[in-house]
Amino acid sequence: GESVGLHLPTLSVQEGDNSIINCAYSNSASDYFIWYKQESGKGPQFIIDIRSNMDKRQGQRVTVLLNKTVKHLSLQIAATQPGDSAVYFCAENYSGGGADGLTFGKGTHLIIQP
Amino acid sequence: NAGVMQNPRHLVRRRGQEARLRCSPMKGHSHVYWYRQLPEEGLKFMVYLQKENIIDESGMPKERFSAEFPKEGPSILRIQQVVRGDSAAYFCASSRGGRNYEQYFGPGTRLTVT
Repeated sequence: GESVGLHLPTLSVQEGDNSIINCAYSNSASDYFIWYKQESGKGPQFIIDIRSNMDKRQGQRVTVLLNKTVKHLSLQIAATQPGDSAVYFCAENYSGGGADGLTFGKGTHLIIQP
Repeated sequence: NAGVMQNPRHLVRRRGQEARLRCSPMKGHSHVYWYRQLPEEGLKFMVYLQKENIIDESGMPKERFSAEFPKEGPSILRIQQVVRGDSAAYFCASSRGGRNYEQYFGPGTRLTVT
């Protein structure tokens, strides 16, 4: 089955609010995690990544949190804007073995309400 | 810098025909990955190539699918004798290294088999 999954298929938030998108993974050996944003008809766009030796990483308006104890990853988007509407995927990889490609979850569709 | 280029963006083939999808990586990248995305799903890893070498094809179907990345020119994903189930979006990503390096995705090729 999937080694990376998402809790909610759709998340609706008001413009200006903060949003949190969650992801669970089952491979405890995974050591590299990435969040991608995909707009309709386009390829995935890199947002932020984190390695397993960290538990938090911040970018511009985004923060990724990694909890290795419960194998949970989250993406926080501050002050959401209409342009944040997209499907968000978490992806993971394990440097010590398995396939070289990333393993993606099914995605969460983030809808920004005006 | 130009991003990852893929062509064609849309491809329609009748059952039994061949489909050729092309991917030009970002400048300076010598690692290419191919992924397939079915509607409403995440991306599935297919194959990882470096120049003139297939490194990992663990996600490729055993028959009809092949990939190459020649010394000169783009990477090619080839699907022989296409069937309706091959209809999907095919994405190429490139990176400057192997595992745990950021992958940049192209816009994808949407294959429709009629």
